[in-house]
Amino acid sequence: GAGVSQSPRYKVTKRGQDVTLRCDPISSHATLYWYQQALGQGPEFLTYFNYEAQPDKSGLPSDRFSAERPEGSISTLTIQRTEQRDSAMYRCSSGRPGSDTQYFGPGTRLTVL
Amino acid sequence: AQSVTQLDSHVSVSEGTPVLLRCNYSSSYSPSLFWYVQHPNKGLQLLLKYTSAATLVKGINGFEAEFKKSETSFHLTKPSAHMSDAAEYFCVVRDTSGTYKYIFGTGTRLKVLA
Repeated sequence: GAGVSQSPRYKVTKRGQDVTLRCDPISSHATLYWYQQALGQGPEFLTYFNYEAQPDKSGLPSDRFSAERPEGSISTLTIQRTEQRDSAMYRCSSGRPGSDTQYFGPGTRLTVL
Repeated sequence: AQSVTQLDSHVSVSEGTPVLLRCNYSSSYSPSLFWYVQHPNKGLQLLLKYTSAATLVKGINGFEAEFKKSETSFHLTKPSAHMSDAAEYFCVVRDTSGTYKYIFGTGTRLKVLA
């Protein structure tokens, strides 16, 4: 079907607020990755899911960051008590079972004022 | 730990001339290597990937890359640049040491001059 989608595309919030970002992967894709991309840098790994399991969340910068994928499809990334340093593009990708090719969404640009 | 280094942050070429974007990798294992392209306001798109089959890998839009183990390199090339090639290019290595992280380089912005 359609490609990976992310919402919202842009989010502006005030420091201290919580935000939740959403990723809709390609249907039937097993793996789902979250990345944080600062301006002028490459995407940095945050966490990854294999269906609903979350084998690796070592890239999450602090306990303010959490991610879920409860039914093995849609995923959310939540940042609590946002800080200005959280401002970045947040990217999501998904992949078929057994494949190492990832398909990326357009990203969510988060700005924390 | 695995990593990739993109040697040039910006590359400018004239339309119709060859493109060379350089990438060196560090890996203790047989690596899986990728090149992704990012056009403005669009998601990342896979150009090509190396996964221990042929060392010369052909991708989309006329791009290719050669895996050279002795030089730990995976440079991206194209014989003739087109204006539509202007974008940011990322070299990526997949961690094969037990996790499944994809580790991105810092990117090379390609500018194509008319």
